[in-house]
Amino acid sequence: AQSVTQPDIHITVSEGASLELRCNYSYGATPYLFWYVQSPGQGLQLLLKYFSGDTLVQGIKGFEAEFKRSQSSFNLRKPSVHWSDAAEYFCAVGSLTGANNLFFGTGTRLTVIP
Amino acid sequence: GAGVSQSPSNKVTEKGKDVELRCDPISGHTALYWYRQRLGQGLEFLIYFQGNSAPDKSGLPSDRFSAERTGESVSTLTIQRTQQEDSAVYLCASSLNSGGYYEQYFGPGTRLTVT
Repeated sequence: AQSVTQPDIHITVSEGASLELRCNYSYGATPYLFWYVQSPGQGLQLLLKYFSGDTLVQGIKGFEAEFKRSQSSFNLRKPSVHWSDAAEYFCAVGSLTGANNLFFGTGTRLTVIP
Repeated sequence: GAGVSQSPSNKVTEKGKDVELRCDPISGHTALYWYRQRLGQGLEFLIYFQGNSAPDKSGLPSDRFSAERTGESVSTLTIQRTQQEDSAVYLCASSLNSGGYYEQYFGPGTRLTVT
């Protein structure tokens, strides 16, 4: 069965510093992988997704993620964090059968300090 | 254009009462999902609708939970005899079609508190 692990519950970074949020997945085939961001009081917004092809994917707001099959990872990165990036970040893997629903990790809360 | 909307945004109910949550998907989206987000946890899949096909109810946690959707429009999630463990944010998402390739667009959620 699919599952997603986000080992970091909470991360604090200084504004302008680089960021890497970790995500590991469990899936028997090539997965569909997603990163979503959830700001307080708002719904989830898709940052980027990986289906196939180039393992480095670019997303919105300057984010990127790299799919590493050997490590079963899909870590999210940003070279320079802005205060507005403070939010909750969720990694998800998509089911390829049935409902095609998403399996989510437990999220990483990002705090940005000036 | 308009995104996915949900109502109410907040609902406080007493244990044992029934509640009904509403989701208005993006117009033209044939697939609709309900998820539950408990405090400090990721989203759990509850139920999925695709067009006029029978819904996939495999994620519903108990028979107190049910959902309906009329065609490709509004959906309602009903929780009967609410329990305190039902307290969570209930999120609805819609996508243009089924299949992992299609992006799911999420509503802002309904925060349910059972006292």
